[in-house]
Amino acid sequence: AQTVTQSQPEMSVQEAETVTLSCTYDTSESNYYLFWYKQPPSRQMILVIRQEAYKQQNATENRFSVNFQKAAKSFSLKISDSQLGDTAMYFCAFISPNTGNQFYFGTGTSLTVIP
Amino acid sequence: NAGVTQTPKFQVLKTGQSMTLQCAQDMNHNSMYWYRQDPGMGLRLIYYSASEGTTDKGEVPNGYNVSRLNKREFSLRLESAAPSQTSVYFCASTLGDLYSNQPQHFGDGTRLSIL
Repeated sequence: AQTVTQSQPEMSVQEAETVTLSCTYDTSESNYYLFWYKQPPSRQMILVIRQEAYKQQNATENRFSVNFQKAAKSFSLKISDSQLGDTAMYFCAFISPNTGNQFYFGTGTSLTVIP
Repeated sequence: NAGVTQTPKFQVLKTGQSMTLQCAQDMNHNSMYWYRQDPGMGLRLIYYSASEGTTDKGEVPNGYNVSRLNKREFSLRLESAAPSQTSVYFCASTLGDLYSNQPQHFGDGTRLSIL
């Protein structure tokens, strides 16, 4: 079975600073994809960034980047130049073609950006 | 372009009542999903539909039924609601088929309370 663990229930960061959210996962699969989703108070889930396991290079999307350590099964999200609009719940998620297209989500990290 | 639309946004039921949560997407996506989100539990998959006419159980299917009415619509039915089904329900869709790894697009959620 696949599991996704987010060990930081809550975090805060000063506006314009950098923050890193942690995610670890457990799988026996070699081909899989990892995602970070953002859920603001509006409740809608928004894709932040996506990483393919077979790619060595860490994914980046503007102020968002990941540190993907495949051997350690770690997938952390770094947010640079934090903005007030980054305040949200952040969920790490895993999917593999060999798990029937089922997404496995972590329990989330609540991030607050302090002005 | 509305994306994924869920109705209703809020609902209160009495134990034993039945109801159907509606979901529609206008992105011509093949796969659709129903999740529930409970405090501290992250997202858990209830059912998914890889294509029109097919449905499969997810992690927590008991007490629910689904119908993939056509490519656009995927409904979730509670036949006899129980207090344990109090949760926020999210519908999502993806462009790809069962073995693709496209990111999911989520609706705004339905907050369901069962007394």
